[in-house]
Amino acid sequence: SQQGEEDPQALSIQEGENATMNCSYKTSINNLQWYRQNSGRGLVHLILIRSNEREKHSGRLRVTLDTSKKSSSLLITASRAADTASYFCATDRTQGGSEKLVFGKGTKLTVNP
Amino acid sequence: EAGVAQSPRYKIIEKRQSVAFWCNPISGHATLYWYQQILGQGPKLLIQFQNNGVVDDSQLPKDRFSAERLKGVDSTLKIQPAKLEDSAVYLCASSRAGRGGLETQYFGPGTRLLVL
Repeated sequence: SQQGEEDPQALSIQEGENATMNCSYKTSINNLQWYRQNSGRGLVHLILIRSNEREKHSGRLRVTLDTSKKSSSLLITASRAADTASYFCATDRTQGGSEKLVFGKGTKLTVNP
Repeated sequence: EAGVAQSPRYKIIEKRQSVAFWCNPISGHATLYWYQQILGQGPKLLIQFQNNGVVDDSQLPKDRFSAERLKGVDSTLKIQPAKLEDSAVYLCASSRAGRGGLETQYFGPGTRLLVL
């Protein structure tokens, strides 16, 4: 079963604008990761935020985590056409004694030049 | 550092046929994952290996799917017999030590399977 739900499902913006994607989840998590997937390719890890962190930055990416609301957001600033991809949040939880990532359905981002 | 390799990239089969996918993880990575990604959805974990032992196969449809990781390196995923609903992209990923939440997983390009 999928743990995370990304919102919106699809987002279309102009180059230079900021893009915000949200992720909500249902159960307690250890950590949360964001991945990017270009069309027809595998996933690429973007950023990991631990459950005791509230905000993290990496280049043009900013991730927030609110464990009380069970939600996270990914902000891409000054977007570029090359940012066009699907973005997935993945929640890490311990289940049956093993730690695993559970992915959401993703947000499809289109950045128009 | 070479990435995760997968083959074939594409496969078209008829239902009830068998198919096998191959994955070579990043050298030195102890943990290997197989995911199924249906169109429009996120990846779903099928099986996780730590070296050559199975850590989690709770979502693997064991009546038709099987996987092995001989010698703790390469892995194969087999479907026998295939059903229409198995049409998906099969992604292989690896990580250094298997702390799934605290480690980056590195994904291969995937094998796109179409079952007719």
